[in-house]
Amino acid sequence: AQKITQTQPGMFVQEKEAVTLDCTYDTSDPSYGLFWYKQPSSGEMIFLIYQGSYDQQNATEGRYSLNFQKARKSANLVISASQLGDSAMYFCAMRVGRDGNEKLTFGTGTRLTIIP
Amino acid sequence: DAGVIQSPRHEVTEMGQEVTLRCKPISGHDYLFWYRQTMMRGLELLIYFNNNVPIDDSGMPEDRFSAKMPNASFSTLKIQPSEPRDSAVYFCASSIWTSNNEQFFGPGTRLTVL
Repeated sequence: AQKITQTQPGMFVQEKEAVTLDCTYDTSDPSYGLFWYKQPSSGEMIFLIYQGSYDQQNATEGRYSLNFQKARKSANLVISASQLGDSAMYFCAMRVGRDGNEKLTFGTGTRLTIIP
Repeated sequence: DAGVIQSPRHEVTEMGQEVTLRCKPISGHDYLFWYRQTMMRGLELLIYFNNNVPIDDSGMPEDRFSAKMPNASFSTLKIQPSEPRDSAVYFCASSIWTSNNEQFFGPGTRLTVL
């Protein structure tokens, strides 16, 4: 069975500092994809970044990067130069296999608070 | 594009009533997903469709829940009869087949069953 674990229920970080949000996953399928979503207090889910299991390089999108360590089964999200607007819930998710399987399994999330 | 559209945004109903949630996916997307989010259970996939056909409904809690997708631009999630434990935020999401196939979420419907 597939599982996503986010061990940090909450984090407080000073503005402008870098943040690392932890995510570990468990699957026996060699083909999978890992996603990070942001959920601000307004409630919508915003896609941030994607990493495929066969991707050779860590994914980056602006201030977001994914520290992908395949052997450790971890896919941590790194936010550089944090801003007040980064305060939100962050969810890690995984899709296993392809060929029509588009089911995402989500972690329990980490609530990030940026302190001015 | 307008993004995924959901209606209503808020719904308050009494136990035993029928509730219908509506979703319009992003034009051209061929996958549609229904999720439920609660404090206790987090974000759960209820059902998803591909080209209007249900692919995986293993997350549908029980027979009181049903979902349909009569065409590529519209889907409904119906709860009949509703119960207080159905209170949650229900999200609709859509996606198109790409290398990463990220899902785009609607704003959600906050359902309260009294």
